[in-house]
Amino acid sequence: SAVISQKPSRDICQRGTSLTIQCQVDSQVTMMFWYRQQPGQSLTLIATANQGSEATYESGFVIDKFPISRPNLTFSTLTVSNMSPEDSSIYLCSVKEQGGQPQHFGDGTRLSIL
Amino acid sequence: GDSVTQMEGPVTLSEEAFLTINCTYTATGYPSLFWYVQYPGEGLQLLLKATKADDKGSNKGFEATYRKETTSFHLEKGSVQVSDSAVYFCALSGNQAGTALIFGKGTTLSVSS
Repeated sequence: SAVISQKPSRDICQRGTSLTIQCQVDSQVTMMFWYRQQPGQSLTLIATANQGSEATYESGFVIDKFPISRPNLTFSTLTVSNMSPEDSSIYLCSVKEQGGQPQHFGDGTRLSIL
Repeated sequence: GDSVTQMEGPVTLSEEAFLTINCTYTATGYPSLFWYVQYPGEGLQLLLKATKADDKGSNKGFEATYRKETTSFHLEKGSVQVSDSAVYFCALSGNQAGTALIFGKGTTLSVSS
């Protein structure tokens, strides 16, 4: 299965700042997704990162707050903008390889906002 | 819409006890079903999967059978170990291309020696 590298693994940020999270895969993948896991909660899909076009956001998530890029089939970034303490979560990148299931996950980025 | 319901945790067991974590789902069509595990401080790992009715997924002593008649995918293990302590997530994926996973709320398992 694909090997997913996510950076940074953790960060502590000041409110009002922005952080960009990178997701690199060692092979070309069909689908890339970004999830949020709030403390003690399950995973919620933020958006599907589409290669060469705008991401598809789920209800409750907007591009201005969570801009996403996917310049090619192996790389994507998620930016958490204008952060507040409520954004303190684990953010996970997930991929779905061409023609197959299931989804695999990176180790996540543990984000704390002060 | 599609959804997954897991039994509430935490589940606390002694080593070598039998484990069941219940999972039921609501979905149109024939989804694929998964169990993921999250060890403390780590990301999610796929534990097992089943893609059609009556399929049994198994891995590391864990098993789950896709039961369409009861819309269930319960996770079982005959003898748990301390190292199995983790959060377990049941999830489904619809059959349309590009469908992301829908997760249950997760069940925390704590095994003591």
